[in-house]
Amino acid sequence: AQSVAQPEDQVNVAEGNPLTVKCTYSVSGNPYLFWYVQYPNRGLQFLLKYITGDNLVKGSYGFEAEFNKSQTSFHLKKPSALVSDSALYFCAVRDDTGAGSYQLTFGKGTKLSVIP
Amino acid sequence: SAVISQKPSRDICQRGTSLTIQCQVDSQVTMMFWYRQQPGQSLTLIATANQGSEATYESGFVIDKFPISRPNLTFSTLTVSNMSPEDSSIYLCSAGGVGNTEAFFGQGTRLTVV
Repeated sequence: AQSVAQPEDQVNVAEGNPLTVKCTYSVSGNPYLFWYVQYPNRGLQFLLKYITGDNLVKGSYGFEAEFNKSQTSFHLKKPSALVSDSALYFCAVRDDTGAGSYQLTFGKGTKLSVIP
Repeated sequence: SAVISQKPSRDICQRGTSLTIQCQVDSQVTMMFWYRQQPGQSLTLIATANQGSEATYESGFVIDKFPISRPNLTFSTLTVSNMSPEDSSIYLCSAGGVGNTEAFFGQGTRLTVV
């Protein structure tokens, strides 16, 4: 079975400071990892993904994420936070084998608040 | 990428009634999914909508309660039947996303059952 943990329900950061939203995962095979953002009353928007290769993945809106296989983590980062980054962030994993190859498992979400 | 239109965006319904949510994708896709997002919680997969065959339901979800149609490769509906206040949630349609490709989501339907 595959699972995702986002240990922080909420992250507060001052505008202009770097931000990190944490994610750890568990899969039986190799992971495909995704970050999504959800603004109020909106659906999920895709930010970035890790498939294979370079452990540092760059995505939309200046976000990036670092894959760490030994720590089974995929933390989302941004060098300088904007107030407009305030939203709900979801980490998701898909196993690359068998039935898990299409089923996407989400973490519980982390609410990011960027304080002006 | 795929653009997904979902409607209605929100509704308030009486208990015991049914609501059908529509999901339209701007391109043909093999896989379509329906998720539920209860207040303050993560997304839970309800079912995979299979074109030309019955949907595949996840544990805890049954066809009688959540009948799904998938008449073609661009359209699907989810019906929430015999609603109770516990069905109040956001329902999300998703398309694509097999293997290492990302899934795309509709804007969601916020359902309130009174």
